Amino acid sequence: AQSVSQHNHHVILSEAASLELGCNYSYGGTVNLFWYVQYPGQHLQLLLKYFSGDPLVKGIKGFEAEFIKSKFSFNLRKPSVQWSDTAEYFCAVKKVDSSYKLIFGSGTRLLVRP
Amino acid sequence: DAMVIQNPRYQVTQFGKPVTLSCSQTLNHNVMYWYQQKSSQAPKLLFHYYDKDFNNEADTPDNFQSRRPNTSFCFLDIRSPGLGDAAMYLCATSRASTDTQYFGPGTRLTVL
Repeated sequence: AQSVSQHNHHVILSEAASLELGCNYSYGGTVNLFWYVQYPGQHLQLLLKYFSGDPLVKGIKGFEAEFIKSKFSFNLRKPSVQWSDTAEYFCAVKKVDSSYKLIFGSGTRLLVRP
Repeated sequence: DAMVIQNPRYQVTQFGKPVTLSCSQTLNHNVMYWYQQKSSQAPKLLFHYYDKDFNNEADTPDNFQSRRPNTSFCFLDIRSPGLGDAAMYLCATSRASTDTQYFGPGTRLTVL
């Protein structure tokens, strides 16, 4: 069955540190890839997505992610985190077929210390 | 602003007492989804509607039903909630299968 793995369940960083959150998926076909963020007390919001084209995608708030097809990975990065980036981050994958199903990773809780 | 709205935000019910959760959208999207998210776990798709067509995930328990009376509204009915159904229930919408899904704030269900 298709699955999405987020390797880090909890990450603690100081402000201005660089961030990389790992995401790997198991499906071998064509996929759409997403990162969602959930700030404390708020709903899931789209951070960025990859459908096709340039494998390096830029999202909101200075986040970017790189799709590496050979590694089945879609890691999220930010060069310098801020306290306001404290949130839970979810990677999600959707097969490019007739399926509507988003498969989510289990999430990574990021705490940024001021 | 166009959005996905869920009511109530918090719902408490008793073991075995039917409960209905509500979702509405102003995005005029064709597809509406219900996800279940248990504590520290990934959201899991229960079912979705494409317009009036209902699509159930194979592993969604029969205890969970859904209704979509019109484009804007979708309901999640839990016929006989058990303690294991306590979770956050997320509603999402998209224009079509190829599009991004937009999520509501969720309803946190507690079963006593």
